[in-house]
Order: sequence, then C-alpha cells, then structure tokens
Amino acid sequence: DQQVKQNSPSLSVQEGRISILNCDYTNSMFDYFLWYKKYPAEGPTFLISISSIKDKNEDGRFTVFLNKSAKHLSLHIVPSQPGDSAVYFCAASATGNQFYFGTGTSLTVIP
Amino acid sequence: NAGVTQTPKFRILKIGQSMTLQCTQDMNHNYMYWYRQDPGMGLKLIYYSVGAGITDKGEVPNGYNVSRSTTEDFPLRLELAAPSQTSVYFCASSPGQGFRYEQYFGPGTRLTVT
Repeated sequence: DQQVKQNSPSLSVQEGRISILNCDYTNSMFDYFLWYKKYPAEGPTFLISISSIKDKNEDGRFTVFLNKSAKHLSLHIVPSQPGDSAVYFCAASATGNQFYFGTGTSLTVIP
Repeated sequence: NAGVTQTPKFRILKIGQSMTLQCTQDMNHNYMYWYRQDPGMGLKLIYYSVGAGITDKGEVPNGYNVSRSTTEDFPLRLELAAPSQTSVYFCASSPGQGFRYEQYFGPGTRLTVT
C-alpha cells in the first residue's frame, strides 16, 4: 500500500513560470518530509525538507508547503529553468529512520 | 569528499547466484540505507543502519542481508538471486542527528538477474 503518492506522473512548464509539484500521504504519523531531484542514471539529490512543526520552508527558488490537515505537500519552483527538468520525488518519515518515497513526477521545463 | 560511492555500476547475475553490492561513505554519517527502484516506481527501503553494528529491516528486506562493521561501509548481500531482484539499487547516508535526515545518495548499481 502506497503511503506517499504523487498522482501526476509528468508536468510541463514554460521557462520562467512557476512549477508546482504535489504529494499526498496517508500516514498521519509522518512528521518529516523531503523533496529530491533525480537526473537519469544518477542518484537522487536532496532539495529541501520540512518538519511538521512548520507549514512552509524556503530555499532560494524552492519552497515547500505542508498542509497537515489535508495530508498534502507541494513543491514550488520559481522561476523554472531548463536545468530543473528532472524527476522529483517526495519522501516522508515518522521516525527519521524509515523513509517512504512517492513514485515521482517528471518535470519538463520548456525554453 | 567523494560522498557515497557504490560498486559495481552494472552487473548481470544468473538465477541462483549471489553477490555483494558495496557502499562506502566518507562523510562520517551515522545513518546508512539501501533502496531499490523498479521502473516507474519510487524508491523502496531494503535495510537501514543507524550506526556501526546496528541494522534493521525496511519495507522489502526479503532476499537480502546487510552488515555494518564500520561507520563508512554498508554492503548489501544478495543470496540466491531471482528475476524479481532485477532493479537499480541505491545506497544513501544521512547525518541523522539534529533533524538532519536528508539523505545523500550514491550513483546506483543496475542489476539484472536472468
């Protein structure tokens, strides 16, 4: 049973516009969330995280929003750049030990 | 820093063979992990370790074994390889302290079992 879901397999956005990637989870015990970016034939790279005591965390062009009541988080990328084209995974944990990953969203930024 | 290194990059195994995937990190991280990623799927945790001498099962541990005798190394052993173990395997490490749970991944090992 998939505890972390990314329901959009792909997303296309024009360069300079906002990219919004979504992630839903089912386990109310999850209290730490991360986003990773992955290029083909490479390992995932950490982007940004958020703990359940916050509802927003920013790092440069990347902002993660957490809505605990809806069990939903989103990653906003502004402005989007062609180099952002990759697969994005969200991950969640209740213990800091075991992390559950979504199936990923493939982002294409069109120049 | 090399970060997290994995060997080999590619391997083809015959059904029933065994092998060890090597993973080393040079960041002095306490936590280490093994994941597998099947096509079109997310990463699934096989085993993890919170320090030398301590290991625990993840979501999909069957058919695998691990050991952690040093902080740096976390090898994954496949016994009696099966076609269902065809996947890309990623090793990762994490500080694991002070809410520093972000994971640093190696480049992966692509394993095919035929």
